[in-house]
Amino acid sequence: GENVEQHPSTLSVQEGDSAVIKCTYSDSASNYFPWYKQELGKRPQLIIDIRSNVGEKKDQRIAVTLNKTAKHFSLHITETQPEDSAVYFCAASDQTGANNLFFGTGTRLTVIP
Amino acid sequence: EAGVTQSPTHLIKTRGQQATLRCSPISGHTSVYWYQQALGLGLQFLLWYDEGEERNRGNFPPRFSGRQFPNYSSELNVNALELEDSALYLCASSLGPGKEQYFGPGTRLTVT
Repeated sequence: GENVEQHPSTLSVQEGDSAVIKCTYSDSASNYFPWYKQELGKRPQLIIDIRSNVGEKKDQRIAVTLNKTAKHFSLHITETQPEDSAVYFCAASDQTGANNLFFGTGTRLTVIP
Repeated sequence: EAGVTQSPTHLIKTRGQQATLRCSPISGHTSVYWYQQALGLGLQFLLWYDEGEERNRGNFPPRFSGRQFPNYSSELNVNALELEDSALYLCASSLGPGKEQYFGPGTRLTVT
């Protein structure tokens, strides 16, 4: 089955700096890669996703890049703000067969004001 | 538009008992997924239902089961509860296979 690894497990950045979280996956059939943000005590929220027919997608301060050859994808947050502090999960799915998401173990991001 | 809802918010059971968790998907969504989030761990896939049928299940024992009703709401049943079943159980829904998944607030199950 699919195996998703996520690094780092914790990340602290100064407000205004950029943050990068990286994930690798094992199943070459995976073609959908969402990112979820989970604030303390709250549900995971979908913040951005990318499908395998594109290499990069951007939404304001958030961008995701995908390298299918190397089987890795990354989340980039620019101009970080304290409200970006949360746990971020990457996930992978083949979206055609099993359709369930395989999640990374999460990255706890702390933005220091 | 109302989001995914789950009940109850918290559930406390003792070892050996059964637990029933409920999920109502976003209106129009036909797929429901169940995930387990144990403390300090990531989300582990449990079950996927679509159009009333179980489509896939994760690497969990058979005492984890569920169903999806004609209105697309879903139940997760956990029989013969064990201490390690204590976790946050999250339900997600999507418009169908291959569509984005949106999560509910979760049910925190505590087994004593």
